Amino acid sequence: QVQLVQSEAEVKKPGASVKVSCKASGYTFTAYYIHWLRQAPGHRLQWMGRINPTTGGTSYEHEIQDRVTMTRDTAITTAYMELRSLKSDDTAVYFCARSNEGEDWFDPWGQGTLVTVSS
Amino acid sequence: DIQMTQSPSSLSASIGDRVTIACRASQNISGYLNWYRQRPGKAPELLIYLTSTLQSGVPSRLSGSGSGTHFTLTISSLQPGDFATYLCQQSYGVPWTFGQGTKVEIK
Repeated sequence: QVQLVQSEAEVKKPGASVKVSCKASGYTFTAYYIHWLRQAPGHRLQWMGRINPTTGGTSYEHEIQDRVTMTRDTAITTAYMELRSLKSDDTAVYFCARSNEGEDWFDPWGQGTLVTVSS
Repeated sequence: DIQMTQSPSSLSASIGDRVTIACRASQNISGYLNWYRQRPGKAPELLIYLTSTLQSGVPSRLSGSGSGTHFTLTISSLQPGDFATYLCQQSYGVPWTFGQGTKVEIK
């Protein structure tokens, strides 16, 4: 079955970086975009950006585009999201999710990765 | 950015009740509106895309309607597994944005 499995929870200090992985299985990895979204406590879901696994091309949300990088390794069907210069406001559950090109709804989702930023 | 507003923020209902959740967009998004269910501590699950198309496996007692700026999700007969938070999302323009959620609780 189609599945996205994310890496484990992380605790980071302010100013550090975090890299979350998303392992895809059950489908052709290069046939679908991978998106990254986050859900901070008490806040609504926020779309962070997406990567085209075929080309590596990316599109980022404007507020975080200077701090985020999305990459992929097609050999191991894994996508990555790195967020730099972490702040306490970045404490959230981070999700990866799949979409078809031109069909910007998300299915399925990874299980989520809690990133806690605390001194 | 397109702002999405859901109402109500929460509601209490009983098994078998008909429930309607509204989602309003800050601008015309045509039919580019999607619905998700999120259970506590879990990832969202896609229920409906493009206003009214049910995702595979979603029961027909769920339905979606609307266009332009006003959309609704209806559950015709609430079942135990329906108690969760429901989210709308617009796929009209980047950045894709979500509503704040509607929590459906047991009365």
